[in-house]
Amino acid sequence: DVKVTQSSRYLVKRTGEKVFLECVQDMDHENMFWYRQDPGLGLRLIYFSYDVKMKEKGDIPEGYSVSREKKERFSLILESASTNQTSMYLCASSLPGGDPSGNTIYFGEGSWLTVV
Amino acid sequence: KNEVEQSPQNLTAQEGEFITINCSYSVGISALHWLQQHPGGGIVSLFMLSSGKKKHGRLIATINIQEKHSSLHITASHPRDSAVYICAVKGGNQFYFGTGTSLTVIP
Repeated sequence: DVKVTQSSRYLVKRTGEKVFLECVQDMDHENMFWYRQDPGLGLRLIYFSYDVKMKEKGDIPEGYSVSREKKERFSLILESASTNQTSMYLCASSLPGGDPSGNTIYFGEGSWLTVV
Repeated sequence: KNEVEQSPQNLTAQEGEFITINCSYSVGISALHWLQQHPGGGIVSLFMLSSGKKKHGRLIATINIQEKHSSLHITASHPRDSAVYICAVKGGNQFYFGTGTSLTVIP
């Protein structure tokens, strides 16, 4: 079974702190994604990566950065956390779009971040 | 921009009722997913469709490619079906998500 593991399920951070959210997948997927999910807004793409060291901005990249130094690991970084970044963060992975298997997306369990 | 529209946003049903959730999309797709999210966050894929109809237990999903529309049906609903159901489509290298339908099934 594909497994996408997010290192932290629940975090509470102070405004201005640097926050790292880690995601690891075990299926050698090229594509990895970071979404945030807020009530009434659904899942919004923050960043995605289609290969090691490759990244592209999603719909809401402001205030976030990412790192993909190894294929299995995709990290989301909040350089200076703010209260409006309180949210649920979901990591996901898939094979590339040209591969029919790439139609399947696998999610982690989610990380609940509260910034106070 | 909303590439994927879902309705209704919230749904309350009595146990045993037949439930339908609708999804319309505006982009070209290679596949459509119906996802389920229980309280606590984890999302699982119930169905992946590119045409026609799929059935799994009490759940049925249909897609009409020409009309860019899909429906998820739950027959004989049960309180354990209470969850958020999300329609998602794969277009190119990206996934686009509806805002979800929050379903509560009352015993």
